[in-house]
Amino acid sequence: QSVLTQPPSVSGAPGQRVTISCTGSSSNIGAGYDVHWYQQLPGTAPKLLIYGNNNRPSGVPDRFSGSKSGTSASLAITGLQTEDEADYYCQSYDSSLSGYVFGTGTKVTVL
Amino acid sequence: EVQLVESGGGLVQPGGSLRLSCAASGITVSSDYMSWVRQAPGKGLEWVSVMYSGGTTFYADSVKGRFTIFRDNSKNTLYLQMNRLRTEDTAVYYCARDPAAGGYWGQGTLVTVSS
Repeated sequence: QSVLTQPPSVSGAPGQRVTISCTGSSSNIGAGYDVHWYQQLPGTAPKLLIYGNNNRPSGVPDRFSGSKSGTSASLAITGLQTEDEADYYCQSYDSSLSGYVFGTGTKVTVL
Repeated sequence: EVQLVESGGGLVQPGGSLRLSCAASGITVSSDYMSWVRQAPGKGLEWVSVMYSGGTTFYADSVKGRFTIFRDNSKNTLYLQMNRLRTEDTAVYYCARDPAAGGYWGQGTLVTVSS
Protein backbone atom coordinates (compact mmCIF):
# COMPACT_ATOMS: atom_id res chain seq x y z
CA GLN A 1 0.00 0.00 0.00
CA SER A 2 1.71 3.12 -1.28
CA VAL A 3 1.63 6.40 0.64
CA LEU A 4 2.17 8.45 -2.54
CA THR A 5 -0.87 8.64 -4.81
CA GLN A 6 -0.70 9.10 -8.58
CA PRO A 7 -3.43 8.99 -11.23
CA PRO A 8 -3.56 5.52 -12.83
CA SER A 9 -3.34 6.94 -16.33
CA VAL A 10 -2.96 10.10 -18.36
CA SER A 11 -3.05 10.53 -22.11
CA GLY A 12 -2.37 13.15 -24.74
CA ALA A 13 -1.82 13.65 -28.43
CA PRO A 14 1.67 14.03 -29.87
CA GLY A 15 3.02 17.49 -29.14
CA GLN A 16 0.68 18.13 -26.23
CA ARG A 17 1.58 18.75 -22.59
CA VAL A 18 0.60 16.30 -19.86
CA THR A 19 1.16 16.42 -16.11
CA ILE A 20 1.32 13.65 -13.53
CA SER A 21 0.57 14.45 -9.91
CA CYS A 22 2.07 12.76 -6.85
CA THR A 23 0.16 13.41 -3.65
CA GLY A 24 1.78 12.67 -0.31
CA SER A 25 1.47 13.87 3.27
CA SER A 26 3.20 15.75 6.06
CA SER A 27 5.53 12.82 6.76
CA ASN A 28 7.01 12.66 3.27
CA ILE A 29 6.69 15.34 0.58
CA GLY A 30 5.18 17.86 3.00
CA ALA A 31 8.10 17.36 5.39
CA GLY A 32 10.46 18.69 2.75
CA TYR A 33 11.94 15.44 1.51
CA ASP A 34 13.06 15.39 -2.10
CA VAL A 35 10.89 13.87 -4.82
CA HIS A 36 12.38 11.84 -7.65
CA TRP A 37 10.70 10.61 -10.82
CA TYR A 38 11.33 7.44 -12.83
CA GLN A 39 10.28 6.30 -16.29
CA GLN A 40 9.78 2.58 -16.90
CA LEU A 41 9.45 1.40 -20.48
CA PRO A 42 7.78 -2.01 -20.96
CA GLY A 43 10.04 -4.88 -19.94
CA THR A 44 12.89 -2.66 -18.76
CA ALA A 45 14.29 -1.36 -15.50
CA PRO A 46 13.19 2.06 -14.25
CA LYS A 47 15.26 5.02 -15.40
CA LEU A 48 15.82 8.17 -13.35
CA LEU A 49 14.07 11.11 -14.99
CA ILE A 50 14.10 13.84 -12.33
CA TYR A 51 15.99 13.96 -9.03
CA GLY A 52 15.81 16.42 -6.17
CA ASN A 53 12.38 17.71 -7.21
CA ASN A 54 13.41 19.49 -10.40
CA ASN A 55 16.83 18.34 -11.61
CA ARG A 56 17.39 16.37 -14.80
CA PRO A 57 20.24 13.87 -15.09
CA SER A 58 22.51 14.26 -18.07
CA GLY A 59 20.81 12.99 -21.21
CA VAL A 60 17.21 13.52 -20.12
CA PRO A 61 15.43 15.88 -22.54
CA ASP A 62 14.29 19.23 -21.18
CA ARG A 63 10.74 18.25 -22.20
CA PHE A 64 10.60 16.65 -18.78
CA SER A 65 10.33 18.90 -15.73
CA GLY A 66 9.46 18.46 -12.07
CA SER A 67 7.98 20.69 -9.39
CA LYS A 68 6.91 20.42 -5.77
CA SER A 69 4.51 22.37 -3.60
CA GLY A 70 3.22 21.55 -0.15
CA THR A 71 2.41 17.86 0.10
CA SER A 72 2.40 17.26 -3.67
CA ALA A 73 4.74 17.09 -6.62
CA SER A 74 4.22 17.03 -10.36
CA LEU A 75 5.96 15.80 -13.46
CA ALA A 76 5.28 17.65 -16.69
CA ILE A 77 5.99 16.33 -20.17
CA THR A 78 5.81 18.92 -22.92
CA GLY A 79 5.89 18.16 -26.63
CA LEU A 80 4.64 14.61 -25.97
CA GLN A 81 6.26 11.96 -28.19
CA THR A 82 5.30 8.37 -28.93
CA GLU A 83 8.44 7.14 -27.18
CA ASP A 84 7.15 8.72 -23.95
CA GLU A 85 4.60 5.93 -23.61
CA ALA A 86 5.65 4.29 -20.36
CA ASP A 87 4.90 3.97 -16.67
CA TYR A 88 6.03 6.82 -14.43
CA TYR A 89 6.69 6.66 -10.69
CA CYS A 90 7.44 9.28 -8.07
CA GLN A 91 9.57 8.49 -5.02
CA SER A 92 10.29 10.22 -1.72
CA TYR A 93 11.32 9.48 1.85
CA ASP A 94 8.80 8.97 4.63
CA SER A 95 9.84 9.78 8.19
CA SER A 96 7.03 7.81 9.82
CA LEU A 97 8.12 4.67 7.96
CA SER A 98 11.86 5.42 8.20
CA GLY A 99 12.14 4.39 4.59
CA TYR A 100 11.61 5.29 0.99
CA VAL A 101 8.24 5.15 -0.73
CA PHE A 102 7.11 5.00 -4.33
CA GLY A 103 4.00 6.38 -5.92
CA THR A 104 1.26 4.11 -7.25
CA GLY A 105 2.46 4.68 -10.81
CA THR A 106 0.93 6.36 -13.86
CA LYS A 107 0.65 4.96 -17.35
CA VAL A 108 1.13 7.57 -20.04
CA THR A 109 -0.56 6.88 -23.36
CA VAL A 110 0.13 8.85 -26.52
CA LEU A 111 -3.05 9.00 -28.58
CA GLU B 1 30.47 3.33 -17.67
CA VAL B 2 28.40 2.51 -14.61
CA GLN B 3 26.96 -0.99 -14.36
CA LEU B 4 24.92 -2.70 -11.66
CA VAL B 5 24.42 -6.40 -12.30
CA GLU B 6 22.02 -8.38 -10.14
CA SER B 7 22.15 -12.16 -9.82
CA GLY B 8 20.96 -14.93 -7.54
CA GLY B 9 17.29 -15.02 -8.38
CA GLY B 10 15.38 -18.21 -9.08
CA LEU B 11 12.61 -20.52 -7.99
CA VAL B 12 12.38 -21.29 -4.28
CA GLN B 13 9.75 -22.92 -2.10
CA PRO B 14 7.88 -20.99 0.58
CA GLY B 15 9.98 -20.84 3.72
CA GLY B 16 13.21 -21.11 1.75
CA SER B 17 16.12 -18.72 1.37
CA LEU B 18 17.97 -16.91 -1.42
CA ARG B 19 20.86 -14.48 -1.54
CA LEU B 20 20.82 -11.79 -4.22
CA SER B 21 23.96 -10.03 -5.38
CA CYS B 22 24.45 -6.65 -7.04
CA ALA B 23 27.91 -6.32 -8.53
CA ALA B 24 28.91 -2.73 -9.28
CA SER B 25 31.41 -1.28 -11.72
CA GLY B 26 32.12 2.37 -12.37
CA ILE B 27 30.88 3.33 -8.91
CA THR B 28 31.71 2.38 -5.33
CA VAL B 29 28.78 0.76 -3.49
CA SER B 30 29.98 2.16 -0.17
CA SER B 31 30.21 5.80 -1.28
CA ASP B 32 26.46 6.56 -1.42
CA TYR B 33 23.30 4.87 -0.31
CA MET B 34 22.19 1.77 -2.17
CA SER B 35 18.68 0.29 -2.14
CA TRP B 36 16.87 -2.86 -3.12
CA VAL B 37 13.54 -2.28 -4.86
CA ARG B 38 11.14 -4.97 -6.08
CA GLN B 39 8.31 -5.19 -8.54
CA ALA B 40 5.75 -7.99 -8.39
CA PRO B 41 4.42 -9.19 -11.76
CA GLY B 42 2.17 -6.52 -13.25
CA LYS B 43 2.48 -4.32 -10.16
CA GLY B 44 4.24 -1.11 -9.16
CA LEU B 45 7.59 -0.48 -7.52
CA GLU B 46 8.08 -1.31 -3.84
CA TRP B 47 11.09 -0.16 -1.83
CA VAL B 48 12.59 -3.05 0.16
CA SER B 49 15.75 -1.94 1.95
CA VAL B 50 18.54 0.64 2.06
CA MET B 51 22.14 0.69 3.22
CA TYR B 52 23.75 4.07 3.78
CA SER B 53 27.41 4.80 3.23
CA GLY B 54 28.09 4.60 6.97
CA GLY B 55 26.52 1.15 7.15
CA THR B 56 23.14 2.01 8.65
CA THR B 57 20.31 -0.11 7.27
CA PHE B 58 16.52 0.14 7.11
CA TYR B 59 13.81 -2.20 5.86
CA ALA B 60 10.22 -2.08 4.69
CA ASP B 61 7.83 -3.51 7.26
CA SER B 62 6.92 -6.30 4.83
CA VAL B 63 10.45 -7.78 4.96
CA LYS B 64 11.72 -6.67 8.37
CA GLY B 65 13.17 -9.57 10.33
CA ARG B 66 13.38 -11.79 7.23
CA PHE B 67 15.68 -9.89 4.84
CA THR B 68 19.18 -8.55 5.50
CA ILE B 69 21.06 -6.06 3.34
CA PHE B 70 24.84 -6.01 3.50
CA ARG B 71 27.83 -5.27 1.29
CA ASP B 72 31.34 -6.50 0.63
CA ASN B 73 33.51 -3.47 -0.08
CA SER B 74 36.38 -5.63 -1.34
CA LYS B 75 34.09 -7.05 -4.03
CA ASN B 76 32.20 -3.79 -4.55
CA THR B 77 29.01 -5.82 -4.24
CA LEU B 78 25.71 -5.27 -2.45
CA TYR B 79 23.70 -8.26 -1.20
CA LEU B 80 20.20 -9.08 -0.04
CA GLN B 81 19.84 -12.19 2.10
CA MET B 82 16.21 -13.32 1.97
CA ASN B 83 14.99 -15.87 4.53
CA ARG B 84 11.56 -17.31 5.32
CA LEU B 85 10.38 -16.42 1.83
CA ARG B 86 6.65 -16.09 1.14
CA THR B 87 4.68 -16.33 -2.08
CA GLU B 88 4.08 -12.58 -1.89
CA ASP B 89 7.86 -12.01 -2.18
CA THR B 90 7.68 -13.09 -5.83
CA ALA B 91 9.02 -10.17 -7.85
CA VAL B 92 11.84 -8.78 -9.93
CA TYR B 93 14.41 -7.38 -7.53
CA TYR B 94 16.48 -4.36 -8.53
CA CYS B 95 19.43 -2.71 -6.84
CA ALA B 96 19.58 1.06 -7.21
CA ARG B 97 21.86 3.91 -6.25
CA ASP B 98 20.98 7.19 -4.54
CA PRO B 99 19.12 9.35 -7.11
CA ALA B 100 21.29 12.32 -6.19
CA ALA B 101 24.36 10.27 -7.09
CA GLY B 102 23.29 9.16 -10.54
CA GLY B 103 20.26 7.04 -9.74
CA TYR B 104 21.63 3.97 -11.52
CA TRP B 105 19.57 0.78 -11.56
CA GLY B 106 20.47 -2.77 -12.46
CA GLN B 107 18.50 -4.90 -14.91
CA GLY B 108 16.85 -6.89 -12.13
CA THR B 109 16.71 -10.54 -11.09
CA LEU B 110 13.49 -12.56 -10.83
CA VAL B 111 12.61 -14.32 -7.60
CA THR B 112 9.73 -16.78 -7.73
CA VAL B 113 8.44 -18.24 -4.49
CA SER B 114 6.18 -21.19 -5.21
CA SER B 115 5.61 -24.78 -4.22
